[in-house]
Amino acid sequence: GDSVTQMEGPVTLSEEAFLTINCTYTATGYPSLFWYVQYPGEGLQLLLKATKADDKGSNKGFEATYRKETTSFHLEKGSVQVSDSAVYFCALSDGNTGGFKTIFGAGTRLFVKA
Amino acid sequence: SQTIHQWPATLVQPVGSPLSLECTVEGTSNPNLYWYRQAAGRGLQLLFYSVGIGQISSEVPQNLSASRPQDRQFILSSKKLLLSDSGFYLCAWSVGLAGENEQFFGPGTRLTVL
Repeated sequence: GDSVTQMEGPVTLSEEAFLTINCTYTATGYPSLFWYVQYPGEGLQLLLKATKADDKGSNKGFEATYRKETTSFHLEKGSVQVSDSAVYFCALSDGNTGGFKTIFGAGTRLFVKA
Repeated sequence: SQTIHQWPATLVQPVGSPLSLECTVEGTSNPNLYWYRQAAGRGLQLLFYSVGIGQISSEVPQNLSASRPQDRQFILSSKKLLLSDSGFYLCAWSVGLAGENEQFFGPGTRLTVL
């Protein structure tokens, strides 16, 4: 079945450092890919998404490119801030099979130090 | 605009007691509704989803149940709580059949079973 694998955390960076959080997926169809962010004590909120191969999702300085050849959707940001400290979830939703469901990765916790 | 409410925000219950968590959505019609559980430091586990009134799909067999008595109301219940039921419970909604649609999450309920 469909699955999402993302790098284990926690990831600790200094402010203004470059961020990469790796995410790979397996899917039987042609999924849409998402990154969600969860700030402490809150629910998840969508950060960015991409619906087809080679699409680049971007928001708040974060970006991720849908790579079908490597089945990856790595999250990047050129210069992180303390306020980016949160848990990041990679996810997929496959409209061809069980499209009502979203499959989430285990989450990667990011700590950014001032 | 759409909003999603969950209550209570926090709950402490003894083992063996019943549970009822409520989720309501405003500003949209016929949403798909979801219950997730997030154990401490871990990813999201899909518990139930519903595509319409009275239609419930269970993802993980356990002592929890869900009901959808109204279009925009989703209830998570248990007759007897276990210690392992402790966690952060998130309700979410989405619209449409296409897998590319994002999910919108509520603020969550933190349940502690003692």
